[in-house]
Amino acid sequence: DAGITQSPRHKVTETGTPVTLRCHQTENHRYMYWYRQDPGHGLRLIHYSYGVKDTDKGEVSDGYSVSRSKTEDFLLTLESATSSQTSVYFCAIRENTIYFGEGSWLTVV
Amino acid sequence: QQQVKQSPQSLIVQKGGISIINCAYENTAFDYFPWYQQFPGKGPALLIAIRPDVSEKKEGRFTISFNKSAKQFSLHIMDSQPGDSATYFCAASMEGDYKLSFGAGTTVTVRA
Repeated sequence: DAGITQSPRHKVTETGTPVTLRCHQTENHRYMYWYRQDPGHGLRLIHYSYGVKDTDKGEVSDGYSVSRSKTEDFLLTLESATSSQTSVYFCAIRENTIYFGEGSWLTVV
Repeated sequence: QQQVKQSPQSLIVQKGGISIINCAYENTAFDYFPWYQQFPGKGPALLIAIRPDVSEKKEGRFTISFNKSAKQFSLHIMDSQPGDSATYFCAASMEGDYKLSFGAGTTVTVRA
């Protein structure tokens, strides 16, 4: 499992509320990623990080922010959740190739 | 716009048959092409990967065929088994760019 832990694994939230998803890794990987998975779209990159406090946008970054204050933690925040952000969110790390966590199922009602 | 186009969206194959999934790309700077396998409720897991210096790579019952001139690559699952029922994603990345662009995915169902 590449030492990746995502939390929460499942969450239901209301439109307009802030939501933070956490990704924790235990193996000191430099690169960390947040992807979302939706039917018909595959996996799309939201944001990624190449070191502490070093982050960059992916292809679907609108409405999301990230922070990485420690090597082991990469946080994804939805400042004001919308129904279009209902999705499965995967954290990933890079070790020669990209390895994914188990996912966080988010429903915005 | 998806940089990697994957087809079909889904397929059903009989046990023992061959499953074939195709992917096409436009960016000639792509130089790494992995395939991921995902079971329901789980994260995608790396299955097999290829670089464009070879035309084929085989690992057990899984084979990647790569056609650089056509900018296409495909996954063949030989002797398909019910345990192969999963969603498969192709992906691509460029040298020095530590991000993957994914296809839309193919759901494979193997009937016993």
